[in-house]
Amino acid sequence: DTAVSQTPKYLVTQMGNDKSIKCEQNLGHDTMYWYKQDSKKFLKIMFSYNNKELIINETVPNRFSPKSPDKAHLNLHINSLELGDSAVYFCASSEGSSPLHFGNGTRLTVT
Amino acid sequence: GEDVEQSLFLSVREGDSSVINCTYTDSSSTYLYWYKQEPGAGLQLLTYIFSNMDMKQDQRLTVLLNKKDKHLSLRIADTQTGDSAIYFCAEEPGANSKLTFGKGITLSVRP
Repeated sequence: DTAVSQTPKYLVTQMGNDKSIKCEQNLGHDTMYWYKQDSKKFLKIMFSYNNKELIINETVPNRFSPKSPDKAHLNLHINSLELGDSAVYFCASSEGSSPLHFGNGTRLTVT
Repeated sequence: GEDVEQSLFLSVREGDSSVINCTYTDSSSTYLYWYKQEPGAGLQLLTYIFSNMDMKQDQRLTVLLNKKDKHLSLRIADTQTGDSAIYFCAEEPGANSKLTFGKGITLSVRP
């Protein structure tokens, strides 16, 4: 009964393709996030949703489009993938002032 | 603005204490966190401290917060090989605000 689960765990695809990463949390949290971890392990927030509404949208190319069908799910769709999109993408959730709970990450490799 | 600084690498001998340091710049941060990332895994919350505290102890972990110097440290007593991982400090200005991570420090525990 994983708290924050992401699929797929690994994703290898070619430049120019469109792909999606899914995230689900069963903690009842009202806020979900996407973070990107680059090759140097640096973590940077991309998006945050609270009760299905976008509340944080950092400077991210508009090829990245998050979608939250309900407060337990936050998916990330990426159009026209580029080499620089290769990274590990982490989903996380929180409730109020509680700490973030992270998924295990999706390692995206663009070739 | 927010910026979190950490040194990059620390090597200790098994059984010794480890001290991982972090400095931050946002004096309005409400919560400060320590996360652990093992190879190929997600981020695991280790401990956190509220900004009105200056110390928190949790079994082998001791967190010290110096608000005046904006300095956060994590001491791991009796370091074990299973403690080898990347450790991230992070600050959060308030509930549902974005979490800003340091660059992470790789802790290597040698027998």
